[in-house]
Amino acid sequence: QQQVKQSPQSLIVQKGGISIINCAYENTAFDYFPWYQQFPGKGPALLIAIRPDVSEKKEGRFTISFNKSAKQFSLHIMDSQPGDSATYFCAASRVGSNYQLIWGAGTKLIIKP
Amino acid sequence: NAGVTQTPKFRILKIGQSMTLQCTQDMNHNYMYWYRQDPGMGLKLIYYSVGAGITDKGEVPNGYNVSRSTTEDFPLRLELAAPSQTSVYFCASSSTERLAGVNEQFFGPGTRLTVL
Repeated sequence: QQQVKQSPQSLIVQKGGISIINCAYENTAFDYFPWYQQFPGKGPALLIAIRPDVSEKKEGRFTISFNKSAKQFSLHIMDSQPGDSATYFCAASRVGSNYQLIWGAGTKLIIKP
Repeated sequence: NAGVTQTPKFRILKIGQSMTLQCTQDMNHNYMYWYRQDPGMGLKLIYYSVGAGITDKGEVPNGYNVSRSTTEDFPLRLELAAPSQTSVYFCASSSTERLAGVNEQFFGPGTRLTVL
């Protein structure tokens, strides 16, 4: 019940296309869902995050869509660029867990020029 | 602000050796975390700390120890290194607040450890 399942494991998208990465969770106590971006040789960095009281959050070309009833959330990257090539992680945490994050396994995204 | 710094960047250990991975943050964050990252497995929490003098186990604590004597430093100790501890280790820190609903963990650059 503590797992966060992320798919796909890898994704290749043409420049200008839409990249979509999906995550699913079981624990309904989760109340915070961030996405992190990691470039090779670097630590992950927060990209965007959402709380379950909203169904969508947009920051520039990045959008999180959240479906509370289905217990799923996804990251959409519009107009994908080669500089977006990285590994993306979804995560979740719940109130009272000292902000501990449960991480998805990651998606390696490659944007082809 | 240097953020979160980790040393060393790379290390090769022999089975049975010990070492300490150093982590320092200059953001006055109360929360600090140690993760290991294995290929295709995401990040697994080893230990975390909610403040100086307070530490607790995460998901995969066996074979590791931590201490937190100051707000800034959170070293990770490997005793009797084993090949299963070959991984990339990340230290992270965060404040206790959720600003605009967001609690951001700030990561260091990582330490790549190989145990042979």
